Amino acid sequence: GDSVTQMEGPVTLSEEAFLTINCTYTATGYPSLFWYVQYPGEGLQLLLKATKADDKGSNKGFEATYRKETTSFHLEKGSVQVSDSAVYFCALSEVRSGAGSYQLTFGKGTKLSVIP
Amino acid sequence: NAGVMQNPRHLVRRRGQEARLRCSPMKGHSHVYWYRQLPEEGLKFMVYLQKENIIDESGMPKERFSAEFPKEGPSILRIQQVVRGDSAAYFCASSPGSGGRPFTDTQYFGPGTRLTVL
Repeated sequence: GDSVTQMEGPVTLSEEAFLTINCTYTATGYPSLFWYVQYPGEGLQLLLKATKADDKGSNKGFEATYRKETTSFHLEKGSVQVSDSAVYFCALSEVRSGAGSYQLTFGKGTKLSVIP
Repeated sequence: NAGVMQNPRHLVRRRGQEARLRCSPMKGHSHVYWYRQLPEEGLKFMVYLQKENIIDESGMPKERFSAEFPKEGPSILRIQQVVRGDSAAYFCASSPGSGGRPFTDTQYFGPGTRLTVL
């Protein structure tokens, strides 16, 4: 079945450091890929998405490129801020045959802490 | 435009009681999804509903759990005879059900209901 693997956390960075959170996936077809962010005590917010190979999703300085050849969707940001401290989830969605369901399959999440 | 609403935000139940979680999707959204997040885990899909229909309940435990999305009113996730292992955060998401490639439909999440079973 579908699965998402993302790097284990927690990740601690100093402000203005470069961020990479690795994400790889396994899927039978051509999924859409997402990064969601969860701030403490809150629900998930969509950060960015890509729907086909070589697409680049970007938002708030974060970027991720859909790499079909390596089945990856790594999240990057050139200069992190304290306000970026949160848990980041990589996810994919793919139609289930027959059911027409678009359920999201999530990785376990990577906790990022940015210190001043 | 209000986002996805969930209530209550926190719910405490004793073993054997019933838990009822509510979700109001974003205005104009006709698709609702429920996910469960156990401590230190990612979210796991439970059920996908459209108005008055359960489309996919492949992630729902076979016993004690049920979900509905009536023609009027919020979607309800019901857990009967709760046990300690049901303690988790339950998130609802909604999507518009766009006419394009179905799996590009973005899901928007509510703040979650944190269920604690004593």
